[in-house]
Amino acid sequence: GESVGLHLPTLSVQEGDNSIINCAYSNSASDYFIWYKQESGKGPQFIIDIRSNMDKRQGQRVTVLLNKTVKHLSLQIAATQPGDSAVYFCAEIFTGANSKLTFGKGITLSVRP
Amino acid sequence: EAQVTQNPRYLITVTGKKLTVTCSQNMNHEYMSWYRQDPGLGLRQIYYSMNVEVTDKGDVPEGYKVSRKEKRNFPLILESPSPNQTSLYFCASTFHGAGELFFGEGSRLTVL
Repeated sequence: GESVGLHLPTLSVQEGDNSIINCAYSNSASDYFIWYKQESGKGPQFIIDIRSNMDKRQGQRVTVLLNKTVKHLSLQIAATQPGDSAVYFCAEIFTGANSKLTFGKGITLSVRP
Repeated sequence: EAQVTQNPRYLITVTGKKLTVTCSQNMNHEYMSWYRQDPGLGLRQIYYSMNVEVTDKGDVPEGYKVSRKEKRNFPLILESPSPNQTSLYFCASTFHGAGELFFGEGSRLTVL
């Protein structure tokens, strides 16, 4: 799993700071979006989702923002902890006929102690 | 415990030796899918299945086969593996194609 992060953009943040991870999606018809977290040696895990009729959704320590005008998605992590170090993927989904899910390439989040 | 189980987790094989990576889910999901993950390329879909006996190609199906004879199982078959199939493979499932995917822990395959 450690090789997953190679060649990916990296965001380095200080422990306790807030993190913002950005994602540009490609299909203006996509109507459902998910953020996944992948820790070293593990499969991706669901963090939070948002539908296209919303522009913000909050979870525990995480917030997802959706800007459909510029096809941009962001994940905000409050008070970043060492356990947040991972690769983060966004996924865009068109839920209509012939539904299609497309993953972004991912960003590595590195938390400095 | 709800989970997607893949086996083997690690495998080293040689070119041309047929292998199968099994995938099983216990959540009664209709949709199952295989992905490969390579550095810098992210997750790319190999094959997917909307339901039993229904399978379709993803973005990178060449060199792979799948079958879906039962709802819970979705094996990935490499009839004649080649070194460019060295990768980290993930099986995933969900109730339908447009929902949250549940991933297995991954199978790291090396083809010499």
